[in-house]
Amino acid sequence: DTGVSQNPRHKITKRGQNVTFRCDPISEHNRLYWYRQTLGQGPEFLTYFQNEAQLEKSRLLSDRFSAERPKGSFSTLEIQRTEQGDSAMYLCASSPDGILQGSPLHFGNGTRLTVT
Amino acid sequence: DQQAKQNSPSLSVQEGRISILNCDYTNSMFDYFLWYKKYPAEGPTFLISISSIKDKNEDGRFTVFLNKSAKHLSLHIVPSQPGDSAVYFCAASGRGSARQLTFGSGTQLTVLP
Repeated sequence: DTGVSQNPRHKITKRGQNVTFRCDPISEHNRLYWYRQTLGQGPEFLTYFQNEAQLEKSRLLSDRFSAERPKGSFSTLEIQRTEQGDSAMYLCASSPDGILQGSPLHFGNGTRLTVT
Repeated sequence: DQQAKQNSPSLSVQEGRISILNCDYTNSMFDYFLWYKKYPAEGPTFLISISSIKDKNEDGRFTVFLNKSAKHLSLHIVPSQPGDSAVYFCAASGRGSARQLTFGSGTQLTVLP
């Protein structure tokens, strides 16, 4: 169990560019979540996958954002035409089953995006 | 619409004393509550949780209390240690297939030696 891995750790990009982040969950965790955290706030839910199916998306996930989880393993989060307001920490989390069964979300160390 | 609120952005406590962190929630559909700890440049780490059918859960130095009528959650750390200095987030989960967590804005705990 090597934990949830996120790459890159930091990304600096110019406004208007596209960026893609990768998350490798803990192996055999079938649930995967993306969150966004801005300064002074707690993480905010973006989207949820169960295996390869994207089952829920937050209103925060505008049409410039897209997430995939091919084959139910790693996941990618892409932001197109980045804006300065997209600057944040993007966190990925995974879980083997539902929270009510006593399995909390395990978070990665995040990707910090800075849009200049 | 902040459904989980941590009204104290910071808390300082002397080493060895009790730390009490508070969280208020508004959504009566929440049925599972958690506390996470976060160090700088790391992701949140799970600390302790409680189901809505309980009012107390204890794990070593950490105890979580749930007052459903007041919609209030608290985390007690006793005795506090300098290594406990971190940002603490409360989180809540409601019914639904995603079971995503709704987080508070965090409290920075500083334990002074």
